[in-house]
Amino acid sequence: DTGVSQDPRHKITKRGQNVTFRCDPISEHNRLYWYRQTLGQGPEFLTYFQNEAQLEKSRLLSDRFSAERPKGSFSTLEIQRTEQGDSAMYLCASSRGDEQFFGPGTRLTVL
Amino acid sequence: AQTVTQSQPEMSVQEAETVTLSCTYDTSESDYYLFWYKQPPSRQMILVIRQEAYKQQNATENRFSVNFQKAAKSFSLKISDSQLGDAAMYFCASQGGSEKLVFGKGTKLTVNP
Repeated sequence: DTGVSQDPRHKITKRGQNVTFRCDPISEHNRLYWYRQTLGQGPEFLTYFQNEAQLEKSRLLSDRFSAERPKGSFSTLEIQRTEQGDSAMYLCASSRGDEQFFGPGTRLTVL
Repeated sequence: AQTVTQSQPEMSVQEAETVTLSCTYDTSESDYYLFWYKQPPSRQMILVIRQEAYKQQNATENRFSVNFQKAAKSFSLKISDSQLGDAAMYFCASQGGSEKLVFGKGTKLTVNP
């Protein structure tokens, strides 16, 4: 098991474009989380899945953001009509117990 | 709502010395967890140490230990015998009433040789 993986690691896009990120959790971890981290800040919670069910969403997750975990394994986070304010590191984490294991993140730059 | 405050944006320590990073938190939950995560430059975040709020004994993991003061809502991290590899951003986080982690803004630790 190689840990939580995220793809792509970097994404540069133009304002108004749609982007999709993928997260592959540690196998057998039933919980999966998305966080956003901007420069100089700690990560902020976006959403959380238990298996395929999305159980909690932050108010930060505007209607331009959508996350899925269709088979309870990998997850995707899509941002529609990107804005410059969406530029950030998007972190995925997974857990089976109390400890959340983080992936390397996807750094999004919106020009 | 939970909040976590780290009042030290940056700290430095000499190699082999001891340093303490501060964290205060606020929560209305009676059952919660507290964590310290380490984020090295351009590398992923890893858990350093965790503390269950119902446990009075302070958690210890090798050179890392915490001073958990529940009444004061304080959760500081002590790093003993600091090593160059300890240089990183350190984030304090809480979890209670929900699965989400609430993070502070972080403290950048520099270790001087």
